[in-house]
Amino acid sequence: TQLLEQSPQFLSIQEGENLTVYCNSSSVFSSLQWYRQEPGEGPVLLVTVVTGGEVKKLKRLTFQFGDARKDSSLHITAAQPGDTGLYLCAGGGTGANNLFFGTGTRLTVIP
Amino acid sequence: EPEVTQTPSHQVTQMGQEVILRCVPISNHLYFYWYRQILGQKVEFLVSFYNNEISEKSEIFDDQFSVERPDGSNFTLKIRSTKLEDSAMYFCASSSQGARRMNTEAFFGQGTRLTVV
Repeated sequence: TQLLEQSPQFLSIQEGENLTVYCNSSSVFSSLQWYRQEPGEGPVLLVTVVTGGEVKKLKRLTFQFGDARKDSSLHITAAQPGDTGLYLCAGGGTGANNLFFGTGTRLTVIP
Repeated sequence: EPEVTQTPSHQVTQMGQEVILRCVPISNHLYFYWYRQILGQKVEFLVSFYNNEISEKSEIFDDQFSVERPDGSNFTLKIRSTKLEDSAMYFCASSSQGARRMNTEAFFGQGTRLTVV
């Protein structure tokens, strides 16, 4: 089983602040995805990163895939209450035909 | 926009009963998955399905569970003799290619909340 650890587990910040969420593993992944999950709903894909060192931007969200393809980070600039949710990273294994999910980071942005 | 749909959204069942959770994957996708999320815990992989057979399964997916694609559109998860600890959100997902391939994107349904009493 390939494990993905996310940190922090919980994060509560004021509107307008910046934050970074980390996703770490000892395993190499062929690709890594970030999802956001609202209560009672399924995960919604935000981005996929494939190449080591790759950086992708989605408005105020910046995603980076580590050079060794073992870790990733999500940076949010000027967080807004609408960013509140559970952020999940998920890795596509090099030997497995399924996605392994991280432990999740629950973000609360206070107005 | 195409989406994965799951029914029912909420199922309550008595311990020991059988339940069938239904999913309609995105129509041109070839890989199908079931995941489970116990309240407050991480999303756990159950099984993947490709070309009308199980591709991979986790240790959670024991003989109590089975999957089927009875026609060209539905993908079902059957849980026999449900236990209290089976209570969870069950998510179906589909993708156009397997997760072993790079740049795979899996799309998730809204989930079925199963409550075993």
